[in-house]
Amino acid sequence: QKEVEQNSGPLSVPEGAIASLNCTYSDRGSQSFFWYRQYSGKSPELIMSIYSNGDKEDGRFTAQLNKASQYVSLLIRDSQPSDSATYLCAVNNSWGKLQFGAGTQVVVTP
Amino acid sequence: SAVISQKPSRDICQRGTSLTIQCQVDSQVTMMFWYRQQPGQSLTLIATANQGSEATYESGFVIDKFPISRPNLTFSTLTVSNMSPEDSSIYLCSVYRDSAGNTGELFFGEGSRLTVL
Repeated sequence: QKEVEQNSGPLSVPEGAIASLNCTYSDRGSQSFFWYRQYSGKSPELIMSIYSNGDKEDGRFTAQLNKASQYVSLLIRDSQPSDSATYLCAVNNSWGKLQFGAGTQVVVTP
Repeated sequence: SAVISQKPSRDICQRGTSLTIQCQVDSQVTMMFWYRQQPGQSLTLIATANQGSEATYESGFVIDKFPISRPNLTFSTLTVSNMSPEDSSIYLCSVYRDSAGNTGELFFGEGSRLTVL
């Protein structure tokens, strides 16, 4: 059974601080990894994709991938109240058939 | 990305009835998928909508319960049949934009929130 594991949270982060989200996966053959943001009552929105080991930065977001450790993380710098949402880690097992983690709820407090 | 329109956006349904959800994409896509998100849960893949042929269902999902149509490369429907309260979920249409070296990305429609009484 392929699994994607995330801490459920909630992760409480002061405004302006860095939020750190972690995700582990069980399928060593996975090649593509994604972070989605989901606001309450809304559909998931893709915010980051990463395919190679190392860091990938996009604005205030940095995704980190370590395939040897089967670990992918997301850092949110200078957290804002608008970043309060559930963040879903997803792993591409086969051409668009993503497996999702349970999600980490992030709450940014003013 | 892609513009993916779903309707209805939400509905309240009676037990035993069926409802069809429509998904329209603004451009042709090869791969379309239907996901379900039950209350407080993460996303689960229901099936791959194949153009011109029967959908491919994931374990735990069957065609009689979730018939899917895909008449062309921009449109698909998902029917939730003989609904029970356990079918109360958000149903999400998604499209996969593939790039070289399996670096594609999956995008979601706005979702259809069904409540079954």
